[in-house]
Amino acid sequence: GDSVTQMEGPVTLSEEAFLTINCTYTATGYPSLFWYVQYPGEGLQLLLKATKADDKGSNKGFEATYRKETTSFHLEKGSVQVSDSAVYFCALRTDKLIFGTGTRLQVFP
Amino acid sequence: EPEVTQTPSHQVTQMGQEVILRCVPISNHLYFYWYRQILGQKVEFLVSFYNNEISEKSEIFDDQFSVERPDGSNFTLKIRSTKLEDSAMYFCASTSSPDSYNEQFFGPGTRLTVL
Repeated sequence: GDSVTQMEGPVTLSEEAFLTINCTYTATGYPSLFWYVQYPGEGLQLLLKATKADDKGSNKGFEATYRKETTSFHLEKGSVQVSDSAVYFCALRTDKLIFGTGTRLQVFP
Repeated sequence: EPEVTQTPSHQVTQMGQEVILRCVPISNHLYFYWYRQILGQKVEFLVSFYNNEISEKSEIFDDQFSVERPDGSNFTLKIRSTKLEDSAMYFCASTSSPDSYNEQFFGPGTRLTVL
């Protein structure tokens, strides 16, 4: 079946460091790919999405490119802030959403 | 900006009791979903609902679970006889289209604690 694999956390970074959170997927069809963010004590918020191969989703300085050849959708940010501390979920969607296990990011001043 | 709302934010219940979790989806959305997240684990799909019928359900969604859209605005998840392992955060989501590129909008979640 369809699945999402993302790197385990926690990822601990200093402010202004470069962030990469790896995500790969397995799907039989042509899914759309999403990154959701969950801040402490809150629900899921869409961070960015890409709907077809080579699309780049971007939002709030975060970027991810839909790579069909490597079945990947890695999340990157050039300079993280303390306020980016959260859990990040990679997900694919055909109809329902299928989530990865989540990666906790901790950013220290 | 329209949003999905859920009540209650936190529900504590005794094992074996029935609980009903409530959701109000975005008003023009037609497709509804429940997901759950056991503490520290990933978000898992439970069920999707369209046109007053279940479209798809996961293995988790056994006979103890049911969903209903009783009045055209609320979308409820009922757990008939709760178990300890039902303790989790339950998220409702809605969308205007089942197409994969459409965003599902999530509510803030209901934290269910079964004692």
